[in-house]
Amino acid sequence: QKEVEQDPGPLSVPEGAIVSLNCTYSNSAFQYFMWYRQYSRKGPELLMYTYSSGNKEDGRFTAQVDKSSKYISLFIRDSQPSDSATYLCAISNAGNMLTFGGGTRLMVKP
Amino acid sequence: DSGVTQTPKHLITATGQRVTLRCSPRSGDLSVYWYQQSLDQGLQFLIHYYNGEERAKGNILERFSAQQFPDLHSELNLSSLELGDSALYFCASSIWTGGGGELFFGEGSRLTVL
Repeated sequence: QKEVEQDPGPLSVPEGAIVSLNCTYSNSAFQYFMWYRQYSRKGPELLMYTYSSGNKEDGRFTAQVDKSSKYISLFIRDSQPSDSATYLCAISNAGNMLTFGGGTRLMVKP
Repeated sequence: DSGVTQTPKHLITATGQRVTLRCSPRSGDLSVYWYQQSLDQGLQFLIHYYNGEERAKGNILERFSAQQFPDLHSELNLSSLELGDSALYFCASSIWTGGGGELFFGEGSRLTVL
């Protein structure tokens, strides 16, 4: 079993839809939870970062962490074609060594 | 632009050969990380250097080695290359915080082994 599991998709939605992306993890020692976005032929870039259970909102993006269930989510409201990318969850303990999920490819169609 | 520079962007070579990938971190970042991204394995952590010293090793093969130089740039050396080594190799940098923090990724070096 991988430490971080993520549905690879692809996930195809119409423009304006609410998107839900999810990851599960197995190690309860993980403390830091991140979502990275990766456009084709580019490096991942940080979207959201949190270190506690609960919700964190940034514009159209909301990250949700449930440590009791070892489950993290990223919600995208009013999705745009420019949101089409691969979304990677990343989890770490102290020390910056990130463990990434396999990524979910999202396609937002105009 | 993340501020992390990787060269070369693309590299095609043959099995058994050796290549060197280079990374310049963001100005002021002391930590450099190397990741391998392939279709079947996703983004895999290889190795972490902080201010010239190796800090953590992940799933790095013995045929691979890395170092970080006094000017903080880093090189990843891949030798006795095999077809399965074909992948995107990313370098990332960060300010060492002792906890989870943002990594800034370069655009990667795409290695094709024929």
